[in-house]
Amino acid sequence: ETGVTQSPTHLIKTRGQQVTLRCSSQSGHNTVSWYQQALGQGPQFIFQYYREEENGRGNFPPRFSGLQFPNYSSELNVNALELDDSALYLCASSPADGGRATGANVLTFGAGSRLTVL
Amino acid sequence: AQSVAQPEDQVNVAEGNPLTVKCTYSVSGNPYLFWYVQYPNRGLQFLLKYITGDNLVKGSYGFEAEFNKSQTSFHLKKPSALVSDSALYFCAVRNLMDSSYKLIFGSGTRLLVRP
Repeated sequence: ETGVTQSPTHLIKTRGQQVTLRCSSQSGHNTVSWYQQALGQGPQFIFQYYREEENGRGNFPPRFSGLQFPNYSSELNVNALELDDSALYLCASSPADGGRATGANVLTFGAGSRLTVL
Repeated sequence: AQSVAQPEDQVNVAEGNPLTVKCTYSVSGNPYLFWYVQYPNRGLQFLLKYITGDNLVKGSYGFEAEFNKSQTSFHLKKPSALVSDSALYFCAVRNLMDSSYKLIFGSGTRLLVRP
């Protein structure tokens, strides 16, 4: 089975631009979440998608948005980029259990997309 | 507020010696606890988790962790370290009251195993 794949692996943008990051979830996983990992820090939860709807969000402004598609792949969009948005963006997928944390499902992470904002 | 603390930025250990990477947490109610490892240019890899039951859980690559409810700790251990264990280790907690799979991560501990 394939794991979680993310694209692009690296990209450079300038302040004010917009970026779209993409994620293909692991086969059989229908829940996708996104995390931001700034340099020297632990990952921070951005949001989660289940059945193409956002069902959990961290402390990130509305210019961070996402989509989940019928094949469970996902996009993270960031508008009006700021210098502090420079980070590794990690996508993680998990198996179906209704999208709720009723189980102890393990997240499978992709290798990430490293965004640099100049 | 929920939080995870990893008090050591770096842990140094000689190959063959036991290692411990510390983690304490703060969450309301019963937590799910996880350890992940991150190698350079790689995503996070799952090592082990505590859900319920035995306080000592065993995971991948010979790692184990002990859940201590009174001390709100979940320290990662390995009896004999390998040079290949050198990596960045993250402790994480999930609040059972949360409807999402949101994980709260610590800031990470870099493990260096010298030959």
